[in-house]
Amino acid sequence: DAKTTQPNSMESNEEEPVHLPCNHSTISGTDYIHWYRQLPSQGPEYVIHGLTSNVNNRMASLAIAEDRKSSTLILHRATLRDAAVYYCILIAGGTSYGKLTFGQGTILTVHP
Amino acid sequence: DTAVSQTPKYLVTQMGNDKSIKCEQNLGHDTMYWYKQDSKKFLKIMFSYNNKELIINETVPNRFSPKSPDKAHLNLHINSLELGDSAVYFCASSQEFGTGRETQYFGPGTRLLVL
Repeated sequence: DAKTTQPNSMESNEEEPVHLPCNHSTISGTDYIHWYRQLPSQGPEYVIHGLTSNVNNRMASLAIAEDRKSSTLILHRATLRDAAVYYCILIAGGTSYGKLTFGQGTILTVHP
Repeated sequence: DTAVSQTPKYLVTQMGNDKSIKCEQNLGHDTMYWYKQDSKKFLKIMFSYNNKELIINETVPNRFSPKSPDKAHLNLHINSLELGDSAVYFCASSQEFGTGRETQYFGPGTRLLVL
């Protein structure tokens, strides 16, 4: 499975945008880029996913580099509720059978 | 209504005992999963079932046996519990399967402590 690299931690202030980076230099052409987050004492929660093009949903935006070797999760206005561990995960289309391989993730701290 | 539910939420038991954790999803999904999160917070997949058929078994000891009585339920039975089994166990489900696009919905977790 292709691996991802994320910073261990990041900090933000409330109401400010947050850019969470992820490197995946060994990504293959069929790998989808998924982001999940885990709030304290809760199960992981899906945030967004994409393949090649940038994606937007009500929670966040996903910016994917043209060579797909990196991506950035963008929270447009951080709230205290966004404090969580954010995981960038690659899922191979057609072969991984939904197997999510979680790394260390990025611990996001949001200051009031 | 809770989409993916697990019971019990907490489970404290002695070494050597046998215990079960139940999972139910009301999303109409065909695929369900079990994950284990250890004390260092690493999440690892254990099993996945699609239409009640075992698809993924990630080198989990034989003491762990998943059972899927129907597509809405995936239970996890653990025999002869060991100290190292202490962890948080998460159940998840997804509608799609094997496409790479599947979105997984997780339950709240079952916190197992083996004494």
